[in-house]
Amino acid sequence: DFQMTQSPSSLSASVGDRVNITCRTSPGIGSYLNWYHQRLGEAPRLLIYAAIALASGVPSRFSASQFGTDFTLIINSLQPEDFGTYFCQQSFVAPWNFGRGTKVDMK
Amino acid sequence: QAHLVQSGGDVVQPGSSVTVSCKTSGYTFTRHVINWVRLAPGQGFEWMGWVSPHDGDTNYAQRFRDRVTMTTDTSTATAYLHLRTLTSDDAALYYCAKSADPGPNRPKGGFDTWGQGTLVIVSS
Repeated sequence: DFQMTQSPSSLSASVGDRVNITCRTSPGIGSYLNWYHQRLGEAPRLLIYAAIALASGVPSRFSASQFGTDFTLIINSLQPEDFGTYFCQQSFVAPWNFGRGTKVDMK
Repeated sequence: QAHLVQSGGDVVQPGSSVTVSCKTSGYTFTRHVINWVRLAPGQGFEWMGWVSPHDGDTNYAQRFRDRVTMTTDTSTATAYLHLRTLTSDDAALYYCAKSADPGPNRPKGGFDTWGQGTLVIVSS
């Protein structure tokens, strides 16, 4: 299976903060990387697909970048509804496995 | 807008099996594969496989291949997950999720719609 190393595993932030979450893959997966957000008790929501494309309906404060096998999700000006857990997922080779998640809570 | 609604939670005995349903609406059911993903306590998401409503084709993750069956009913636009020989390690939230891209190829568009999740508890 492809290795997905997501970091940090958790972070504390305040409303208005900029947050960066990273996912590193081994081996490379091209741009087949997706990001999801899950709030407690809710279903996951697709935020970013194909490494940098914003999913439909996702606010523009979310963005993403790729440098080789390093992928970064960026949240500009964190909002109250953004707390929860973020997951990356590779969709290059089955099984389409996920990172272990980054829990974002309030500082 | 696509919508996926799953069956309610279940308590099952070790060694038994469980079936979870996923009723879809709001899109053409046969155009997109349905994936099954689970989230166990203390673990990350784990992809179990996909089923294509178009032709019934499946692709199971290796570790589930000998005890999982995924099917669809096009008359009701519903997908099913059947998992056999359950152990305590199978206690988890099970999700169905629709691939954004049509067809069974690499889901570069990710999983754009998820069900609400079905809690399966394994207990004697």
